[in-house]
Amino acid sequence: DARVTQTPRHKVTEMGQEVTMRCQPILGHNTVFWYRQTMMQGLELLAYFRNRAPLDDSGMPKDRFSAEMPDATLATLKIQPSEPRDSAVYFCASGSHTGGRTEAFFGQGTRLTVV
Amino acid sequence: GEDVEQSLFLSVREGDSSVINCTYTDSSSTYLYWYKQEPGAGLQLLTYIFSNMDMKQDQRLTVLLNKKDKHLSLRIADTQTGDSAIYFCAERSSASKIIFGSGTRLSIRP
Repeated sequence: DARVTQTPRHKVTEMGQEVTMRCQPILGHNTVFWYRQTMMQGLELLAYFRNRAPLDDSGMPKDRFSAEMPDATLATLKIQPSEPRDSAVYFCASGSHTGGRTEAFFGQGTRLTVV
Repeated sequence: GEDVEQSLFLSVREGDSSVINCTYTDSSSTYLYWYKQEPGAGLQLLTYIFSNMDMKQDQRLTVLLNKKDKHLSLRIADTQTGDSAIYFCAERSSASKIIFGSGTRLSIRP
């Protein structure tokens, strides 16, 4: 059963702490997206990768957020230092860019609460 | 820039049809998608339509695309309580990224 796996599912942390969220994309997918979902902003695209190379991270606050793909089976999103306004659900999605069509298959999300 | 807009709420009676509307701005979008999100879960792809199509039907789902007006709609026939969820419209932009609308929360009245 191929699916995107995100860890942790829930994270509560204190303001100023580093947070690392992990994502295992579906095997064989060459595109990875990071989205953030909040009530106020809806679903925002933070960054996306193709073949492990970052294509666009313009949606991400650069001073505190960083996204990487150390290898094809792992994508990470780090926040350092975290702030209460970062509280949200963070989704990773993976897809296969074939024939010009890219679909996004979503993980269950990481619910982050910064207190 | 790319932008996708949807109304936030829709309430329909069980058994009626639901129609969820969406507008997008990137005229070079090649694919448009509808996703469904149930409480506490990630988004699931429901259906997609290629930009050279006007309509796509898949069981109870009908997608209509008006490319001239950049308008997309999702019709759910015979709406059931299990259809209660948030429905997201999304476009695959010319830059190959997938941009989502804010989602339409569909609630079903008995």
